Amino acid sequence: KNQVEQSPQSLIILEGKNCTLQCNYTVSPFSNLRWYKQDTGRGPVSLTIMTFSENTKSNGRYTATLDADTKQSSLHITASQLSDSASYICVVSAVGGSQGNLIFGKGTKLSVKP
Amino acid sequence: NAGVMQNPRHLVRRRGQEARLRCSPMKGHSHVYWYRQLPEEGLKFMVYLQKENIIDESGMPKERFSAEFPKEGPSILRIQQVVRGDSAAYFCASSLNRGPDTGELFFGEGSRLTVL
Repeated sequence: KNQVEQSPQSLIILEGKNCTLQCNYTVSPFSNLRWYKQDTGRGPVSLTIMTFSENTKSNGRYTATLDADTKQSSLHITASQLSDSASYICVVSAVGGSQGNLIFGKGTKLSVKP
Repeated sequence: NAGVMQNPRHLVRRRGQEARLRCSPMKGHSHVYWYRQLPEEGLKFMVYLQKENIIDESGMPKERFSAEFPKEGPSILRIQQVVRGDSAAYFCASSLNRGPDTGELFFGEGSRLTVL
């Protein structure tokens, strides 16, 4: 069964600190992996997209890694800011399918405290 | 360049009423997707449409739910005879190209349905 598992479920950190969020997936055949940021009450916004051949991609203070062999991805946030407080969603897609083959994780809820 | 526009942002209905949610994709996008998000849950795919065509409705409940994307105007997700379990956030996304391999998805802000 295609699944995306994220950990931790929630995380509290102090402003300025770094953190790493994890994503494990069992989606096959793998096409790409995306990380989205979803502010409370808002729609998801794309942070990164990585294909099978990419193992790291950065977007400002966000750096995503992908290990297609172990089917794991991480999202590292550097020098966190209060505005980073949001849910971070890992999304994996399968080759050749329609958008129905996008499998969403439940997200990690990050709270950045002053 | 406006993003994906959804309305209403909030909708309250009593059991048995109908709910209509509208989505205007980004300019130039002809692929529209609807997702449902329950509290503390991940987004779940419902339906994928192109202009005047339903491409994949494998995530749609068999009864009471329907979707359309007419040649002119927004895409509409229609829920008939709503029940309390339909209470959720409904997100629309659009893309320029078909398929998760090629399509960057852009999401709207969602429509939050509450069924009393």
